[in-house]
Amino acid sequence: NAGVMQNPRHLVRRRGQEARLRCSPMKGHSHVYWYRQLPEEGLKFMVYLQKENIIDESGMPKERFSAEFPKEGPSILRIQQVVRGDSAAYFCASSPGVADTQYFGPGTRLTVL
Amino acid sequence: KQEVTQIPAALSVPEGENLVLNCSFTDSAIYNLQWFRQDPGKGLTSLLLIQSSQREQTSGRLNASLDKSSGRSTLYIAASQPGDSATYLCAVGANSKLTFGKGITLSVRP
Repeated sequence: NAGVMQNPRHLVRRRGQEARLRCSPMKGHSHVYWYRQLPEEGLKFMVYLQKENIIDESGMPKERFSAEFPKEGPSILRIQQVVRGDSAAYFCASSPGVADTQYFGPGTRLTVL
Repeated sequence: KQEVTQIPAALSVPEGENLVLNCSFTDSAIYNLQWFRQDPGKGLTSLLLIQSSQREQTSGRLNASLDKSSGRSTLYIAASQPGDSATYLCAVGANSKLTFGKGITLSVRP
């Protein structure tokens, strides 16, 4: 059973471009979470999704950020018009149920030039 | 708002020492607490999960305890090894999300 997969592992964008981060949960897991780790800061919750539904997006910035988890395919975290402050490691986690262990992917390290 | 604190931020010990990492949280309305390990530039590895109804969990040389009423958890590492050097993160689960502490960076000297 493969673990949580994220791609790309590293992503470089120029200011104003779009960034798309992908996450494939572990097999059998229908709950997906996105977290962001800014330099010198702890991990912060961004959004929690189940298949085709956003359950909690209280940690998402109000503008430029969106997330989806379609019926088929990976979960996508999309950042439009990136700025330097978006440079961070973005981690995806999945779990079989809401109160179960969350398993994390290796992360995508976004650098905005 | 839940806040999770891990003190100290860094710890250096000689190989073989038993050690305790502390974690405190402000809101006791949690459904679980999870300890993770993070190596530099890497993702998170789940070490132990304690449900809110449990007092402790053990895995190999690791033992984690939870005192929900006082808002505290400890991670005990027995007979530390240089390979244990990493950042250890505590995270409390509530309302479908994890709230993380900033971690304790452990260095085990050979």
